[in-house]
Amino acid sequence: DQQVKQNSPSLSVQEGRISILNCDYTNSMFDYFLWYKKYPAEGPTFLISISSIKDKNEDGRFTVFLNKSAKHLSLHIVPSQPGDSAVYFCAASGTTSGTYKYIFGTGTRLKVLA
Amino acid sequence: DTGVSQDPRHKITKRGQNVTFRCDPISEHNRLYWYRQTLGQGPEFLTYFQNEAQLEKSRLLSDRFSAERPKGSFSTLEIQRTEQGDSAMYLCASSLEGGQSVGYTFGSGTRLTVV
Repeated sequence: DQQVKQNSPSLSVQEGRISILNCDYTNSMFDYFLWYKKYPAEGPTFLISISSIKDKNEDGRFTVFLNKSAKHLSLHIVPSQPGDSAVYFCAASGTTSGTYKYIFGTGTRLKVLA
Repeated sequence: DTGVSQDPRHKITKRGQNVTFRCDPISEHNRLYWYRQTLGQGPEFLTYFQNEAQLEKSRLLSDRFSAERPKGSFSTLEIQRTEQGDSAMYLCASSLEGGQSVGYTFGSGTRLTVV
């Protein structure tokens, strides 16, 4: 049972344009969401987070949107740069249920074309 | 502090052999996690420690797998009688208690190949 889903395995975007990566979840107990970026041969690197009490969080070029009613979150990268080319994972955690583990999606490979 | 360190980076072993991996977390982090990642998948949770206590284990963690964090600092993950299906990247991560908003810091992983 995949509780966190990233239905687009890959995405290509022109440099300078917006990249939108999507993530859906099924467990209504999730209350913290993270996005990670992963380059080959490295561990995932934390990018941005959002708690369920918010619907938007921004950090520089990165913005995460949360739609709790749709159980959907998205990561916007504006403007996209070639160095953003990586695999992006969303992850969710249900801290109110006493578990601190994050459940990860399968990832979306972003390629930013120069 | 140089982040989360994992050793070795790569391990090739024959089926049936035992392997042990080590993880050194960020020194002030009291939570330590083990994940496994296979090709085309996201990291899958295996187990986590708060200090030296192992608080949660995944059903993925069969009785061939054992993890320890004896003094609440470094951790080891042992796989006994390895099988080809154990081939994966094994990721260790650490975090501070209450640090949900900044997630985990991952190490670079140990890539296991069982031949």
